[in-house]
Amino acid sequence: EVQLVESGGGLVQPGGSLRLSCAASGFMFNDYAMHWVRQPPGKGLAWVSGVSWNSGSIGYADSVKGRFTISRDNAKNSVYLQMNSLRIEDTAFYYCAKKAGSNWYFDLWGRGTLVTVSS
Amino acid sequence: QSALTQPRSVSGSPGQSVTISCSGTSSDVGAYNSVSWYQQHPDKDPKLMIYDVNQRPSGVLDRFSGSKSGNTASLTISGLQAEDEADYYCCSYAGSYTWVFGGGTKLTVL
Repeated sequence: EVQLVESGGGLVQPGGSLRLSCAASGFMFNDYAMHWVRQPPGKGLAWVSGVSWNSGSIGYADSVKGRFTISRDNAKNSVYLQMNSLRIEDTAFYYCAKKAGSNWYFDLWGRGTLVTVSS
Repeated sequence: QSALTQPRSVSGSPGQSVTISCSGTSSDVGAYNSVSWYQQHPDKDPKLMIYDVNQRPSGVLDRFSGSKSGNTASLTISGLQAEDEADYYCCSYAGSYTWVFGGGTKLTVL
């Protein structure tokens, strides 16, 4: 089955760290760029970060640059998001998304994992 | 990296057509034919409805169409049905390996 499954969310205090994982299955993972998109409860989608198939291209939203690090392990069909210096405004559902080949859009999404930053 | 601008809400009666706008800049929407649209029902993950401004993925009905003029893209839904009621988000590539979403539009079918 073609799917993405996120894990690693939870409750963390402001200033803390958390590492999200996304396990892919059902497609040739190492052929595709992977991204993280977040959605605060009750609010809209926001692109967070993306990594190309070979990690040669990486991008971050200004709101997380310098605090979050994206990485991937093609041998494990997984992409990760290391989140440091977490802020209350980072509270959101974090979705893993697959970018469609050489195109610009996201054609496969996970169900998301909730990160709550609170004291 | 400012969010693309969408109306907060739109509404229409069954059978009518509605258009949702997505306003960006010459650095994102205006620079690339990369606008995509996603439909999200409550507590569900987003579903791709339109890509590359006006292309429909297989399985998406032709009631959904997209267009772009300058820095503004649009999603038109014709023949509104109750199941179209959802949140809709536009997204554009913004250069330097970054993407930007719109704030989202809540579609209500009256």
